[in-house]
Amino acid sequence: DTAVSQTPKYLVTQMGNDKSIKCEQNLGHDTMYWYKQDSKKFLKIMFSYNNKELIINETVPNRFSPKSPDKAHLNLHINSLELGDSAVYFCASRGSANTEAFFGQGTRLTVV
Amino acid sequence: AQSVTQPDIHITVSEGASLELRCNYSYGATPYLFWYVQSPGQGLQLLLKYFSGDTLVQGIKGFEAEFKRSQSSFNLRKPSVHWSDAAEYFCAVGPPWGADGLTFGKGTHLIIQP
Repeated sequence: DTAVSQTPKYLVTQMGNDKSIKCEQNLGHDTMYWYKQDSKKFLKIMFSYNNKELIINETVPNRFSPKSPDKAHLNLHINSLELGDSAVYFCASRGSANTEAFFGQGTRLTVV
Repeated sequence: AQSVTQPDIHITVSEGASLELRCNYSYGATPYLFWYVQSPGQGLQLLLKYFSGDTLVQGIKGFEAEFKRSQSSFNLRKPSVHWSDAAEYFCAVGPPWGADGLTFGKGTHLIIQP
């Protein structure tokens, strides 16, 4: 069983569209994250969600909104997609103290 | 503010040679340190982590790292690289748990030449 799974793996869409990326973890972790990896491979945290508390990286445009239906899921919804949103988006989760973060396989988003 | 510096963007090593990837961090509290590897088109896999105790930590695939508090460093080493080690390597620092997440370095791209 995959610990952190994301769908879809690839997403190609036109500018202006709205899209969602789904993430599920079966590790029982309390905290989930979304990271963005740009074309230079730089990883930057976008959001974290811990016990219904959402922490937003202030540099993230409000077109991006995370939605957590339950503790095991953290989806990413993006409105009005722009060319600059093209990147690989990683979902991750982390459990109790002294544990590492587990990452999904990533979703490569291409906006055309 | 916390930060991670990986000074080498690219490193080329001959197969069978030793490897050291550098990582320096800045963190206001006790650092929790990680090395992750990303193969092309793949997610991030944890190689090793340091939380406390012995400053030399062993990881998977024959990797090890040494935490040096005085130098704010957490360098990754491997005595003999294999062609399959070619990948992107990321050093990260973060809290022991919780919502702050991990701060990553910009990565080092490892090339293995025959």
